[in-house]
Order: sequence, then structure tokens, then C-alpha cells
Amino acid sequence: QSVLTQPPSASGTPGQRVTISCSGSSSNIGSNTVNWYQQLPGTAPKLLIYNNNQRPSGVPDRFSGSKSGTSASLTISGLQSEDEADYYCAAWDDSLNGRGVFGGGTKLTVL
Amino acid sequence: EVHLVESGGGLIQPGGSLRLSCAASGFTFSSYAMSWVRQAPGKGLEWVSALSSSVGVTYYAVSVRGRFSISRDNSKNTLYLQMNSLGAEDTAVYYCAKVISGWYTDLDYWGQGTLVTVSS
Repeated sequence: QSVLTQPPSASGTPGQRVTISCSGSSSNIGSNTVNWYQQLPGTAPKLLIYNNNQRPSGVPDRFSGSKSGTSASLTISGLQSEDEADYYCAAWDDSLNGRGVFGGGTKLTVL
Repeated sequence: EVHLVESGGGLIQPGGSLRLSCAASGFTFSSYAMSWVRQAPGKGLEWVSALSSSVGVTYYAVSVRGRFSISRDNSKNTLYLQMNSLGAEDTAVYYCAKVISGWYTDLDYWGQGTLVTVSS
């Protein structure tokens, strides 16, 4: 059972906007920043969003992140077929002497 | 260009030990903290351990504390993960990743991973 809670699946049609949620607690999302990763099948994860809403260079602006209280969300606008992947949120957790925590992942299907 | 290449994975019997290595290039290795993240077959990502850039501060997931040890050799641009008392639950692809700055889950570059299989 993951410390951060994500829906196991999400879907959308090309061009749609999709939002994936990530719920945590005061010791992680509530006090630290959130990151989002995209993992295509058979590949290593790729950083999509860091510091709640910052995009690394090369990440399309179709991807955006936000945080409020102990929850965060990733929004993908103008959905494309190549966005079909697993998405993970992550944050630092101040409990238990400090540790990293991930969400369980959300499999996004482009219909 | 940043490159991270893990090695040292393989098949190991329960109770055994293994040391993973991560060779880094394309950036000033000594200036950045590093993390290990693993992924069991068909499962999600699990953060394992992190090490600061210079002062040697370490962090571990509860599931590996007391069994795993992270270290680095800045002269060789290499990160290590010593894994002892391995069990079936440690079977996973292990990724090393570079920390952007700040939090140890801010990981901007990842290696391709090395598979560790714990089985008799």
C-alpha cells in the first residue's frame, strides 16, 4: 500500500484534458514539494514535473502540475496517443527519519 | 550529456548479498545527491535510498533499513548500493537517479536499471 494515493487508471480521447490526482498527508505533500514521473512501457521513468509545477526543459507545456494542501494533481491537456503511459507522483516524507514516497501509479489509456 | 549506467544485478539466493554500481558521466558527480529507486515486476516505483553530495547524509526506506547501505566514490563518479540479507521481496529492477537539488525525490536523470532476482 503506497503512502501517496493515486487512482489506478485514467482514460481520455485525443485532444481531451485529463487530470490525475495524488493524495498524501501533512508529513509529505503537506510540507514538501511534489514531483510527477511518466513511465512508458519497458523504459525508465522520466521527470515531468518538479517543485509542484515546474517543467524540466523538453517537457511539453501540455503537462502541468498543481498542489493544494495535502493533495496534488497532474493535468495533461490536448491528450495525444503517445501520452499513454504510467504516471507516478512522489514527494519527500518527513516521518520515520525522512524517506522518499511514491504513489501507486496511474495507468493512462488514450482511447 | 548525462549518463547513468547501473550494473551488478543478477540472480542471487535468499539471504545472499549483492553490490550494485552506478557509473555517472556528463555532470559534476560530486556536486549532486543521488537516489536509488526500485520497481518489482509488474509493480510501481519504490524509493529505496538516497545519499547527499558531500557530507555523507544517508536515507533509507523502512523496508531496507539495516540491510542496505548506500555509498559513493566521487573520484570514480560511481554510486553504490550494498544489499545484504536479500529476500524475494527485494526482486526488482533497481534504478539509480540524479537529484536535481533539494529533495531526494527530485530525480531528473535515471539509468536504464539493473535487474535483481532473489530466488533459490
